[in-house]
Amino acid sequence: RKEVEQDPGPFNVPEGATVAFNCTYSNSASQSFFWYRQDCRKEPKLLMSVYSSGNEDGRFTAQLNRASQYISLLIRDSKLSDSATYLCVAISGTSYGKLTFGQGTILTVHP
Amino acid sequence: GAVVSQHPSRVICKSGTSVKIECRSLDFQATTMFWYRQFPKQSLMLMATSNEGSKATYEQGVEKDKFLINHASLTLSTLTVTSAHPEDSSFYICSASASSYNEQFFGPGTRLTVL
Repeated sequence: RKEVEQDPGPFNVPEGATVAFNCTYSNSASQSFFWYRQDCRKEPKLLMSVYSSGNEDGRFTAQLNRASQYISLLIRDSKLSDSATYLCVAISGTSYGKLTFGQGTILTVHP
Repeated sequence: GAVVSQHPSRVICKSGTSVKIECRSLDFQATTMFWYRQFPKQSLMLMATSNEGSKATYEQGVEKDKFLINHASLTLSTLTVTSAHPEDSSFYICSASASSYNEQFFGPGTRLTVL
């Protein structure tokens, strides 16, 4: 079983739609979680950290459920520029600094 | 955020040759640098972690004699793919952080194609 699993999609949504991505992690010792965004043939860029209390950054909302080992990302009012691959990332609890990436969820927002 | 560069951005080489990829932190001192590999339609996989002035720590399944990592200064780490073969063709990405506890900043990646 992969340490971080995501639904690969692809998700194809119209502009203005709300879309949600899910992610599960298997290592209960994982301490920190993030969502990264990766555009085609580019490096990943940090989108936001994920906190247990849930956090919001503009149109993006991230949630963490430690009991279920589940992470989510909600994007409201989708823009064309949101089209990318979204990567769920966990930091191992046993190896500080080691980022474990999920396989990514592909999002395409169309006019 | 901090800036990390990689060079070259793309390299095409013949099978059996060695390829060196440089990763530089341009505006901060990177105590720790990480090297990742990403095959098409797959996620990033950590290859190794390097701390300035010490030997790199390789992930399971990554051959240290094939992927030579040098982190001789606080702003430069190099990855050398020795005797490259077509199966080594991949997108190699480095990241750098001021310490293993800090945010990692990613380089733009190097696309390696081995013919």
